[in-house]
Amino acid sequence: AAGVIQSPRHLIKEKRETATLKCYPIPRHDTVYWYQQGPGQDPQFLISFYEKMQSDKGSIPDRFSAQQFSDYHSELNMSSLELGDSALYFCASSKGLAGVSGANVLTFGAGSRLTVL
Amino acid sequence: KQEVTQIPAALSVPEGENLVLNCSFTDSAIYNLQWFRQDPGKGLTSLLLIQSSQREQTSGRLNASLDKSSGRSTLYIAASQPGDSATYLCASAFSGGYNKLIFGAGTRLAVHP
Repeated sequence: AAGVIQSPRHLIKEKRETATLKCYPIPRHDTVYWYQQGPGQDPQFLISFYEKMQSDKGSIPDRFSAQQFSDYHSELNMSSLELGDSALYFCASSKGLAGVSGANVLTFGAGSRLTVL
Repeated sequence: KQEVTQIPAALSVPEGENLVLNCSFTDSAIYNLQWFRQDPGKGLTSLLLIQSSQREQTSGRLNASLDKSSGRSTLYIAASQPGDSATYLCASAFSGGYNKLIFGAGTRLAVHP
């Protein structure tokens, strides 16, 4: 079965550079979520999109922005990278919004590991 | 503040043992609770999802329970195997924040032969 695809799997950047992560949800899933997991930390919710509109916002820095495109894939853009941005970035997808469509299981991708030097 | 806490932080058991992982949450207005498995440096695999109206869910050797009144969930693993070694995270969606899963810090499990 198709899963959530994230690219790139690994990314190394210098401080103050820009990075873009991509997420391709499971076919027919219309909701995408982004999470950040720092070293030894639990995943923290960043932002989510439903039908190409932002549906919720968490602890996402102002230096980060994201959007969901017409084909439902999403991109997370990170600018002015800092050392503390080094983390595993997860994308998850679901069909519909949790709370609206009932039993809504989020399927997570394998993550994109960003290292900022 | 909505928080999810897991104890113990780490657990080491011999193969074959039955074990219980604990998860507690501060807000009883829970929408659902999920248990995930994470292997080192890997993604999150959903194990079990319990809706707020349910008391437990079972999948193979795994059984998860939910007690909203006490703010607790447990993951029971029967007849543990070395392949069960991983970090187990519980995460909750609370009413009013359905799209935001709040994760616990995880329990790192090691099952030795």
